[in-house]
Amino acid sequence: NAGVTQTPKFRVLKTGQSMTLLCAQDMNHEYMYWYRQDPGMGLRLIHYSVGEGTTAKGEVPDGYNVSRLKKQNFLLGLESAAPSQTSVYFCASSYPAGDMNTEAFFGQGTRLTVV
Amino acid sequence: AQKITQTQPGMFVQEKEAVTLDCTYDTSDPSYGLFWYKQPSSGEMIFLIYQGSYDQQNATEGRYSLNFQKARKSANLVISASQLGDSAMYFCAMRERSQAGTALIFGKGTTLSVSS
Repeated sequence: NAGVTQTPKFRVLKTGQSMTLLCAQDMNHEYMYWYRQDPGMGLRLIHYSVGEGTTAKGEVPDGYNVSRLKKQNFLLGLESAAPSQTSVYFCASSYPAGDMNTEAFFGQGTRLTVV
Repeated sequence: AQKITQTQPGMFVQEKEAVTLDCTYDTSDPSYGLFWYKQPSSGEMIFLIYQGSYDQQNATEGRYSLNFQKARKSANLVISASQLGDSAMYFCAMRERSQAGTALIFGKGTTLSVSS
């Protein structure tokens, strides 16, 4: 059982380049999330999706776009990468949280460096 | 304002001792969920324990328990009988209703170091 898979695991970008991070889950989860983790800042929510075709902004959405064309996939795009976007990116997924008791399952993370 | 506050950047404890990791939260919604995750040095996120806002009893999972004080908006994680393998970063998180469904928000984390 693969769970949540992130592609790629590592990437180095030059300032101004674009890239897309892919998150795939095989648990039939409705909810998917993208976070960034920076030293001393914890995990900060970038964007999330409550179902296929829907997306919503999180705490730090600027500079990122997302798409959820298929239920199992959640894509995070950087149109013009900046050094401030150097971070570890985590994707997570969960069942609908009607009663709030739904843990999120995380991918292994993507380490992105923008030079 | 921060939704989740973890005031202890680092904690140090000896093996077999108990340790409490602090977490306070801020919400006006009566329905919410509180979670603790562990992140070892390898980087993966491991779910530990959950507490719902309407739960009357404190949650427990093995050596982990959650000291839930609703009036104080506090959800501290208690680890009993610490082990070397407990050395990791610990994150408190809250799920609350948002404009689109519910969002899961994390605190900044506490690094726990367990020594022999």
